[in-house]
Amino acid sequence: TQLLEQSPQFLSIQEGENLTVYCNSSSVFSSLQWYRQEPGEGPVLLVTVVTGGEVKKLKRLTFQFGDARKDSSLHITAAQPGDTGLYLCAGTSFSGNTGKLIFGQGTTLQVKP
Amino acid sequence: ETGVTQSPTHLIKTRGQQVTLRCSSQSGHNTVSWYQQALGQGPQFIFQYYREEENGRGNFPPRFSGLQFPNYSSELNVNALELDDSALYLCASSVPPGTQYFGPGTRLLVL
Repeated sequence: TQLLEQSPQFLSIQEGENLTVYCNSSSVFSSLQWYRQEPGEGPVLLVTVVTGGEVKKLKRLTFQFGDARKDSSLHITAAQPGDTGLYLCAGTSFSGNTGKLIFGQGTTLQVKP
Repeated sequence: ETGVTQSPTHLIKTRGQQVTLRCSSQSGHNTVSWYQQALGQGPQFIFQYYREEENGRGNFPPRFSGLQFPNYSSELNVNALELDDSALYLCASSVPPGTQYFGPGTRLLVL
C-alpha cells in the first residue's frame, strides 16, 4: 500500500516567518502534486512536479521533488495571513490504466498577523 | 471554459437512506474520479470513470457505486448510508495521464 506522510500536521506561525512542509513516502510516484484547500471547498492545484530533483517556484512558494521521486517539500518564504489553509500533497499512482491520487493527511497552516 | 461543478453543495440524510451526488467535468475532460474526505483527513480515492466505464476502485464497499454519462458528467450513489459516510465528497476531472482538477465538493451529513 502506498502511503504519503505529511509533516507537520499543524503549524501556527507569525506573519513574516518562513516554513517548510514535508511529504515523504517509501514508494516512487510518477508525479506529485501540491494542493491548497480552504474550509468546505475542493483542493486547488498549486503545482505538479514530475522529474526527480525538480524545483519549482510560485511567488513565495518553492516546491522540490526528491531525486528518487519518493518525497517532496513545500517552502513558504515570509508567510502572510492569506497563506492560511490546508496544504495537501498527493502522489499519482498508476494501476493499469487508472491514475489515482494518494493524498497525505494534510498540513493545516495558520499565519497570524 | 467552465471548471468542475458539483451538486448539491450540502445534504443531510439519515442512516439507511440512499444518496446521489452529481459532478460535471471540465470541458474536454473524459475522466472523473471521486474521493471521500473525512474531517481533518486527506481525500481517499473511491473510484474513477473513463469513457463511461469504471476504471479503478479504492477500498470502498459495493454500496458505493457510480455512473458516467456520454457528456462525461458523473454520479456517485451511496446506498444504506452509515454515520461514517459523513464527509466531503469531491470529484475531479482530467484527461489521463494529466492533472486532476477538483470541484468544490458536496458536504454530506448522515444523522
